[in-house]
Amino acid sequence: AQSVTQPDIHITVSEGASLELRCNYSYGATPYLFWYVQSPGQGLQLLLKYFSGDTLVQGIKGFEAEFKRSQSSFNLRKPSVHWSDAAEYFCAVGPVGFGNEKLTFGTGTRLTIIP
Amino acid sequence: ETGVTQSPTHLIKTRGQQVTLRCSSQSGHNTVSWYQQALGQGPQFIFQYYREEENGRGNFPPRFSGLQFPNYSSELNVNALELDDSALYLCASSLVGRGGQETQYFGPGTRLLVL
Repeated sequence: AQSVTQPDIHITVSEGASLELRCNYSYGATPYLFWYVQSPGQGLQLLLKYFSGDTLVQGIKGFEAEFKRSQSSFNLRKPSVHWSDAAEYFCAVGPVGFGNEKLTFGTGTRLTIIP
Repeated sequence: ETGVTQSPTHLIKTRGQQVTLRCSSQSGHNTVSWYQQALGQGPQFIFQYYREEENGRGNFPPRFSGLQFPNYSSELNVNALELDDSALYLCASSLVGRGGQETQYFGPGTRLLVL
């Protein structure tokens, strides 16, 4: 069964500092990979996605993620965080090809930004 | 804005009651998925509807049921509510074709409290 692990429950970084959020997955083949962000009381907003091709993907708000097949990882990065980046971040995997299209999510990483 | 809307935003019910949550998908999207997000957790897949038929189900009992309509709207029905059903319910719409699914776009969610 597929699973997603986000080992960091809570991360605190200073405004302007760099950020890396970790995501590891377990899946039978290379899945589709996603990062979503959720602000308090809100739904999920897609930051970026990997379907195929270049393993470094660019997203919105200055985020990027790198797919590493050998490590089954899809870590999210940002070179300089802003106070508005404080939120909950979810990594998710989905199946390739037509079929049961469910997404499997990790438990999330809460990001706190300090001045 | 994802173009996906949900109603109501908040709901309070008592144990044993029934509830209907509504979702309006992006125009043209043929698939809607429903997720349950308990406090402090990642979203859990409930089920998905593709062209008005159920197309996959997560580990949820039959008292969770759904409908998808031709006008891009859908419903999640929960019978015999239990206290553990208290959660944020998210719907997500996507366009699924022969090559598989494209990105799932999430609505803002309905927060259900069962007393």
